[in-house]
Amino acid sequence: KAGVTQTPRYLIKTRGQQVTLSCSPISGHRSVSWYQQTPGQGLQFLFEYFSETQRNKGNFPGRFSGRQFSNSRSEMNVSTLELGDSALYLCASAAQDRDTEAFFGQGTRLTVV
Amino acid sequence: GENVEQHPSTLSVQEGDSAVIKCTYSDSASNYFPWYKQELGKGPQLIIDIRSNVGEKKDQRIAVTLNKTAKHFSLHITETQPEDSAVYFCAAIWYTGNQFYFGTGTSLTVIP
Repeated sequence: KAGVTQTPRYLIKTRGQQVTLSCSPISGHRSVSWYQQTPGQGLQFLFEYFSETQRNKGNFPGRFSGRQFSNSRSEMNVSTLELGDSALYLCASAAQDRDTEAFFGQGTRLTVV
Repeated sequence: GENVEQHPSTLSVQEGDSAVIKCTYSDSASNYFPWYKQELGKGPQLIIDIRSNVGEKKDQRIAVTLNKTAKHFSLHITETQPEDSAVYFCAAIWYTGNQFYFGTGTSLTVIP
């Protein structure tokens, strides 16, 4: 059974640009969550989607957005990139709508210069 | 929301010794507590979890205990091996869905 796949693995962008990251969850999983990981802030929740609906959103500015498609694949978008957006962005997929095992992908390392 | 605190931030043990990492949470509504292991350059890997209706769970050399009254849970690794060296994160799920609140991580080093 394939795991969670995130693409691309690495990205370098310039301040002010926008970026789209992709996540393909484990087959059959309908919940996809996104996290930002930085050395200073640790793992912080961005948002969660279940069956194409955003259910929860963390404390991030509106520049961070996401969506989920009917096949459960998800994308997150960051507009007007800032240096502080440099981080490892992790996607996690879960089978059920709550309180269940979540499996992470390898992440996308975003560097903003 | 939930607040999860994790201690210690770094831990060094001799190979074969035990390692214990402790976490506390703030919201009694949290009911699912996973532990993740993250190796350099990789995403977090689920190693064990526990639900609020269980006090202890064991999987070979790894065990987790939960004290709901005190709102703390711990990871125990016995007979540590060099390949156990990694950063370990505890987490709590708030009742609203699959939103995890993570601890700040423990960097475990097992010295051969």
